Amino acid sequence: DTAVSQTPKYLVTQMGNDKSIKCEQNLGHDTMYWYKQDSKKFLKIMFSYNNKELIINETVPNRFSPKSPDKAHLNLHINSLELGDSAVYFCASSQEGAGYGYTFGSGTRLTVV
Amino acid sequence: QKEVEQNSGPLSVPEGAIASLNCTYSDRGSQSFFWYRQYSGKSPELIMSIYSNGDKEDGRFTAQLNKASQYVSLLIRDSQPSDSATYLCAVNDYKLSFGAGTTVTVRA
Repeated sequence: DTAVSQTPKYLVTQMGNDKSIKCEQNLGHDTMYWYKQDSKKFLKIMFSYNNKELIINETVPNRFSPKSPDKAHLNLHINSLELGDSAVYFCASSQEGAGYGYTFGSGTRLTVV
Repeated sequence: QKEVEQNSGPLSVPEGAIASLNCTYSDRGSQSFFWYRQYSGKSPELIMSIYSNGDKEDGRFTAQLNKASQYVSLLIRDSQPSDSATYLCAVNDYKLSFGAGTTVTVRA
């Protein structure tokens, strides 16, 4: 049983398109996250949801919109894709509180051409 | 100033040696610290957590924390080729912030 699963694993699309990435966790965690890992491998948080409520929204273009239909799911929709959006996007989840590490999904490699 | 900084790599060590990885953080109030391992093309995997000053050992891994110096380290003893990966230091305040990572290569 995969703890945090993301789909799709790979996504190749043209500039200007709109795409979505889905994430589901079966760990019973209350908090879910989206991270972006760029070509230099730096992992940066984008969003965090706790029980369907947005609690962290880092400096991310408005073209990125997260949605959490329930605490086990967190999706990421990206409008008007740009070349600079090419990266690996990781979903993660954790129990609530700063004392817990995060469990990461396998990642979605997005390539914008 | 970056929130979490790691010593620049890559780090190459012979098999059986000790690999030493260092990390500093900027927020003196931070309480929770983690080390993740990331193999190429894979997701980060939690390998150690530490919350109190001192050493914490788990198998061949030892994490060390010094809050006064705002310093966290990871020692990998008896390094194996399978330890070749990027190691990410992370600090959890209201979010988990990562360093840029140190790539370790263990030479057989």
